[in-house]
Amino acid sequence: DPKIIQKPKYLVAVTGSEKILICEQYLGHNAMYWYRQSAKKPLEFMFSYSYQKLMDNQTASSRFQPQSSKKNHLDLQITALKPDDSATYFCASSRDWGSAETLYFGSGTRLTVL
Amino acid sequence: AQKVTQTQTSISVVEKTTVTMDCVYETRDSSYFLFWYKQTASGEIVFLIRQDSYKKENATVGHYSLNFQKPKSSIGLIITATQIEDSAVYFCAIVGDNSKLIWGLGTSLVVNP
Repeated sequence: DPKIIQKPKYLVAVTGSEKILICEQYLGHNAMYWYRQSAKKPLEFMFSYSYQKLMDNQTASSRFQPQSSKKNHLDLQITALKPDDSATYFCASSRDWGSAETLYFGSGTRLTVL
Repeated sequence: AQKVTQTQTSISVVEKTTVTMDCVYETRDSSYFLFWYKQTASGEIVFLIRQDSYKKENATVGHYSLNFQKPKSSIGLIITATQIEDSAVYFCAIVGDNSKLIWGLGTSLVVNP
């Protein structure tokens, strides 16, 4: 059974709309992250959370807002969607927040913005 | 800023052979951690193996091992006795003091029968 669940797996949206990407982890981890994978680019760090507290934000745009209702949840709200937002978004978690931690990834949400 | 370079875009091997994938990194951190992940055809990203910079011994997990050459800032991944199921894209990544994984562009491995 997958330990990090991302929903939906595929998402199609129109420009200007708003979507929420869901992530739940059942590994008992205290830290969660969002990464983005775009074509021809390396995986890109977006956010990190520890015990539901934002630790780091590498996303310049305020259109991307993480939301953590529980320690094992970290959703990603994206507003005013643009075609450039098309990518696969991966949620990840680690036992604790910190450089020495190994990250484990969900299966991703592939977002297409038309 | 940290950087990871994987120069091999794709590699094709025959199953049961050994393959080495290259990775060179840049960092100013005195302590850092190196990771290898693979991404399967379904898109899933799977952790394989890691090397902590302060450890001299090369890490080994199952049929994965690392060739860590710190003076050359190099962390190669070696897969022995390759299997068809090893076909995937392999990513090298580094994390230093900033707790963010910096990734390479990946090497696509095709294992043929």
